[in-house]
Amino acid sequence: LAKTTQPISMDSYEGQEVNITCSHNNIATNDYITWYQQFPSQGPRFIIQGYKTKVTNEVASLFIPADRKSSTLSLPRVSLSDTAVYYCLVGFNYGGSQGNLIFGKGTKLSVKP
Amino acid sequence: ETGVTQTPRHLVMGMTNKKSLKCEQHLGHNAMYWYKQSAKKPLELMFVYSLEERVENNSVPSRFSPECPNSSHLFLHLHTLQPEDSALYLCASSQDPGELFFGEGSRLTVL
Repeated sequence: LAKTTQPISMDSYEGQEVNITCSHNNIATNDYITWYQQFPSQGPRFIIQGYKTKVTNEVASLFIPADRKSSTLSLPRVSLSDTAVYYCLVGFNYGGSQGNLIFGKGTKLSVKP
Repeated sequence: ETGVTQTPRHLVMGMTNKKSLKCEQHLGHNAMYWYKQSAKKPLELMFVYSLEERVENNSVPSRFSPECPNSSHLFLHLHTLQPEDSALYLCASSQDPGELFFGEGSRLTVL
C-alpha cells in the first residue's frame, strides 16, 4: 500500500496558481495517482488522475516526474470557491493495494481575497 | 435522477435504536463503498462491495451491518451505537477500478 504524504495546509490568494505536492515513495508499477477535492460536509469529488508525465483537464493539471515518487496538483488562478481539502491517492484496484480507496489527511487549501 | 443519493441526510438516534442508512447509485457502477468521516479525521473506508459481494470489511464493529441487495443499492444498518459513532457517513460507487463518485453523506448523531 503506497503511503502518501502531503502538506497539512496551504494558503493562497485569489488569482494565484497553487501547486500541491504529494510524496509517494513506494508507488507500485501499476499504481495510478488520483486527486480529490472535498468541501465541508460533502463527499469528495474527483479532480484528476494520471500515471506519468502530465495530465490536464478543465479544472487542473497533474505533473508526475519520471520516477513517479511524487506528483503535483496545479490549480490555475484559484478563487475563493477553491477553498477545500485536497487528497492524493495512489493505487490501482481494490483487490490489490486498496490504495486508490484510502484517503489520508489531505491538504487544506485556504484561498483569501 | 443521476449520481449517488443518500438518505436520510441527517439522523439522530439513541444508543438503543436501530436505524438504517440508504445509498442508491444511478451510474451503472459495479462497486459500492461505505466511508466514515469523523470530525477532523480522514475518511475511513468501512466496507467494499463488488458485484454485490462484500470484498472488504476493514475491522468495523459489528454494530454496523452492511447490505447490498443489488448493484444499485447499499444499506448500512445501525444498532446499539455509541456516541463516538457520530460522524458523516459517505457512500461511494465506482466502475471498478475507476474513480469514486460520492454521495452527499448522512450526518449521524448518536445521543
